[in-house]
Amino acid sequence: QQQVKQSPQSLIVQKGGIPIINCAYENTAFDYFPWYQQFPGKGPALLIAIRPDVSEKKEGRFTISFNKSAKQFSLHIMDSQPGDSATYFCAAKKAGAGSYQLTFGKGTKLSVIP
Amino acid sequence: SQTIHQWPATLVQPVGSPLSLECTVEGTSNPNLYWYRQAAGRGLQLLFYSVGIGQISSEVPQNLSASRPQDRQFILSSKKLLLSDSGFYLCAWAPGTTYEQYFGPGTRLTVT
Repeated sequence: QQQVKQSPQSLIVQKGGIPIINCAYENTAFDYFPWYQQFPGKGPALLIAIRPDVSEKKEGRFTISFNKSAKQFSLHIMDSQPGDSATYFCAAKKAGAGSYQLTFGKGTKLSVIP
Repeated sequence: SQTIHQWPATLVQPVGSPLSLECTVEGTSNPNLYWYRQAAGRGLQLLFYSVGIGQISSEVPQNLSASRPQDRQFILSSKKLLLSDSGFYLCAWAPGTTYEQYFGPGTRLTVT
């Protein structure tokens, strides 16, 4: 059973556009929601993360929006650039001691065309 | 600052041969350590994690095993590789008391 559903699978936007990647979860025990960026042949890099006590977090051109009641969160990339072309993964982690794993979405391949 | 290393970067092995992939972390102590596998164009599958020396939890039954002989060293092994073991193997670490998880550069394994 997939616990974090990510959409779309792929996304093409023009330079300067605002790609939006969405994730939905079912388990209300999740309390940490990171996003990772992965370039081909490289390991994923932690991009930005949010806890459910806030509805939005910005870091540079990257913004996470979080809707606790809908159990959804999304990544927005402002003024997207060709260098943002990568695969993006959302993830979630349960609260509490003894919880060590991240549950990942299946990824979104983003292409930003000049 | 903390650094995570994986080697080798690439590996081509015949079916039935053994495997040993190594991961080490520098600049921290008592990290949580993880092994993931990523098939081509696919998501991340957690294989093993460890919260301390000699403590290994397996997430997926398979012909792979993991060991943690030292605090900052994590090893992924197999006695006999299968074609289906091909993939991109990623090691990750996390500070024991926080949520962030950081990935290494990965090992590309091709089983022929």
